[in-house]
Amino acid sequence: QVQLVQSGAEVQKPGSSVKVSCKASGGTFSSNAINWVRQAPGQGLEWMGGIIPDLGATIYAQKFQGRVTITTDEPTSTVYMELNSLRLEDTAVYYCARVNVGGVIGFYFDNWGHGTLLTVSS
Amino acid sequence: EIVLTQSPGTLSLAPGERVTLSCRASQSVSSYVAWYQQKPGQAPRLLIYGASSRATAIPDRFSGSGSGTDFTLTISRLEPEDFAVYYCQQYDTSPCSFGQGTKLEIK
Repeated sequence: QVQLVQSGAEVQKPGSSVKVSCKASGGTFSSNAINWVRQAPGQGLEWMGGIIPDLGATIYAQKFQGRVTITTDEPTSTVYMELNSLRLEDTAVYYCARVNVGGVIGFYFDNWGHGTLLTVSS
Repeated sequence: EIVLTQSPGTLSLAPGERVTLSCRASQSVSSYVAWYQQKPGQAPRLLIYGASSRATAIPDRFSGSGSGTDFTLTISRLEPEDFAVYYCQQYDTSPCSFGQGTKLEIK
């Protein structure tokens, strides 16, 4: 099945931005939404938002509205998550995760990337 | 936002035992609940969706039940590889949300 391959670990300063990628290996996203879920060290899972790649439709969690942007590059089957105005508390592992039901975004996730560690430190 | 409360926070059990994990929603989520297993350093793995449907390749010792606000995940006979953290998730209402997790540890 499609494997989700994420970009490597990042270290960023407070106030800066980061852009994390998630590439479909061995297939395409089509109408299956790709979501972003983060996990702070030792903490639980937090949904940030998602995109339906072939429509470009997005939904963001209110907590991240205005600070996160999720985009897609269909020719390369890659989804990007950009987070701005980084804070120390944004330090977390960021996962991309696929919905296996077409046309919906925040659903259950049957396929996860390996995660990208973002460290925000001055 | 719908809050999911999982209990207990930690369970100490031995291989071979049966375990039931609980997940309670702050309002009805119909049957739109999923369960995930997460091991250290790994991404979560989908176990159950639709409250009771097993995901692909999940052993039948895992079962889910419930509807409305109360849900359970049962592992009928614990195997050594089952010791991990388990999360429930509701996807009835946006934003989808997760419980805080239950850690299963070896006694």
